[in-house]
Amino acid sequence: KAGVTQTPRYLIKTRGQQVTLSCSPISGHRSVSWYQQTPGQGLQFLFEYFSETQRNKGNFPGRFSGRQFSNSRSEMNVSTLELGDSALYLCASSLVGRLEDEQFFGPGTRLTVL
Amino acid sequence: GDSVTQMEGPVTLSEEAFLTINCTYTATGYPSLFWYVQYPGEGLQLLLKATKADDKGSNKGFEATYRKETTSFHLEKGSVQVSDSAVYFCALKVSGGYQKVTFGIGTKLQVIP
Repeated sequence: KAGVTQTPRYLIKTRGQQVTLSCSPISGHRSVSWYQQTPGQGLQFLFEYFSETQRNKGNFPGRFSGRQFSNSRSEMNVSTLELGDSALYLCASSLVGRLEDEQFFGPGTRLTVL
Repeated sequence: GDSVTQMEGPVTLSEEAFLTINCTYTATGYPSLFWYVQYPGEGLQLLLKATKADDKGSNKGFEATYRKETTSFHLEKGSVQVSDSAVYFCALKVSGGYQKVTFGIGTKLQVIP
């Protein structure tokens, strides 16, 4: 069974631009979560989607948004990019997002903001 | 709020040495506890987990015991290998938080031959 895939793997943008990252969960998984990983802050939870609805959200500004499609694929968008948004963005999927459901992580998208 | 504390490292060990990475937590509810591993250039993989007090999670020679009284979940391995070189994250998840996982800062382990 194919794992979680994320596209693109690498991205370079300039300040003020916007970016869209994509995540395809494992087949049959309906919960998708996003995390930001930086050397200073570590891994921080961005948001979780289930059945096209945002179910939980971390402490990030409104410039960070996401959505989920009917096939469970998810996108996250960052508008008005800042230098501090440079990070590895990880997507994770699980069956339905219950406490006992294991999360499977993708390889991440490395975003560099210049 | 929920938080996880672990040493950042790096931790450098010789092959076959004993490994301990300390992890302590604070949680608003009764958490499930996890250790994840991230190899260079890859995403996170679940290494082991424990869902209630005194449970021991184990995998690939790694072990961790859920200690509620000390709010700890220390990772141990009796004999590390070069292939264990990676970043290790302690993490927790609480009921009602769905898939929101709170991670520690990560501990980089380097094993030298």
